Amino acid sequence: KNEVEQSPQNLTAQEGEFITINCSYSVGISALHWLQQHPGGGIVSLFMLSSGKKKHGRLIATINIQEKHSSLHITASHPRDSAVYICAARGGGADGLTFGKGTHLIIQP
Amino acid sequence: DSGVTQTPKHLITATGQRVTLRCSPRSGDLSVYWYQQSLDQGLQFLIQYYNGEERAKGNILERFSAQQFPDLHSELNLSSLELGDSALYFCASSVGLMGYQETQYFGPGTRLLVL
Repeated sequence: KNEVEQSPQNLTAQEGEFITINCSYSVGISALHWLQQHPGGGIVSLFMLSSGKKKHGRLIATINIQEKHSSLHITASHPRDSAVYICAARGGGADGLTFGKGTHLIIQP
Repeated sequence: DSGVTQTPKHLITATGQRVTLRCSPRSGDLSVYWYQQSLDQGLQFLIQYYNGEERAKGNILERFSAQQFPDLHSELNLSSLELGDSALYFCASSVGLMGYQETQYFGPGTRLLVL
């Protein structure tokens, strides 16, 4: 069974700061997902990556398959980035996704 | 808007009852996934259907069942409800059958409260 762990659990930062959220997993995978859950509850898929780095606007996701580690970075953070960020990877035998517990990010103006 | 729809948005019911949650995937997506999000367990994968067939099973209780119909919409049936079943239930869809390496598009969720 794949164990997916995220850090930190909670993060409060000032507007404009560079944010890093980490995700590690125990079993080798072919792809890792980063999701964003808004305060209202809706979930948006931010990235699905299997190697290297992907960038979308101010968001950057990286993955190191050998080290079983991924990071999500937010540059020039803004209060609208306040949300829960969740990483997920293949769970192992079930083929479904296993999720980290999420990082609750608050960006203060 | 992800293109995935779920009904109802909210559901309040009593212990022992049965409810049905409905999900319509994005146009063209053949896979539907059901997830449960509770305060203590976080997000958990329940079950996946691909083109009408069960594809993968996660932590789905025996009291829960699902199906995908020929028009690709899916229903999640929860029976003999317990207080602990109170949660947000999401469905997601993707084009193919390997959801762990495809982008999944999430619906807005159904918030279930069991009293």
